[in-house]
Amino acid sequence: GAVVSQHPSRVICKSGTSVKIECRSLDFQATTMFWYRQFPKQSLMLMATSNEGSKATYEQGVEKDKFLINHASLTLSTLTVTSAHPEDSSFYICSAREQGASYGYTFGSGTRLTVV
Amino acid sequence: GQSLEQPSEVTAVEGAIVQINCTYQTSGFYGLSWYQQHDGGAPTFLSYNALDGLEETGRFSSFLSRSDSYGYLLLQELQMKDSASYFCAFPTGGFKTIFGAGTRLFVKA
Repeated sequence: GAVVSQHPSRVICKSGTSVKIECRSLDFQATTMFWYRQFPKQSLMLMATSNEGSKATYEQGVEKDKFLINHASLTLSTLTVTSAHPEDSSFYICSAREQGASYGYTFGSGTRLTVV
Repeated sequence: GQSLEQPSEVTAVEGAIVQINCTYQTSGFYGLSWYQQHDGGAPTFLSYNALDGLEETGRFSSFLSRSDSYGYLLLQELQMKDSASYFCAFPTGGFKTIFGAGTRLFVKA
């Protein structure tokens, strides 16, 4: 089945620094990927839709200058959390769907970001 | 607006059957899906109902009633490993997926 690889799985960074998270579709091409944020014991909140070769589409309330998304190829999307602060600490998850596959999105394994 | 409602917690015993309900509200509806997420892990796709009725996949079944804006996930022969959070969700016109708040299922021995 479709596999989405996300890296790193855990990262701890100092307040004010930037962190890049990678999301790769390993055995399929994904023109669209999605980035979610999940706080403990809460639901997944869509942050943005990453489109290959074009600008990402951000959900209302998500700062595009803070959460930079780049989808440079059909298998890779990156999320950069710039000038991270403790309130950005969360579980970030990407997802994608293989074209032609039965319905259902494949999620990456997630990245636990802790800003200290 | 678009929203999904599901119970926050459900507790059941090993070997039993449990049903997790989900009601939704949206202007354009394409189908209802279910995901399982263990603590610290990523969501895993379980099932998708585009049409009314019951879809069965092993111990898990999912039901949809479009006229009632309602669906449920049925888990049979519960096992301890089924303890997890279960999310109902639906895709929007732009292929985005909106998730419910999740139901934490606790399976007791």
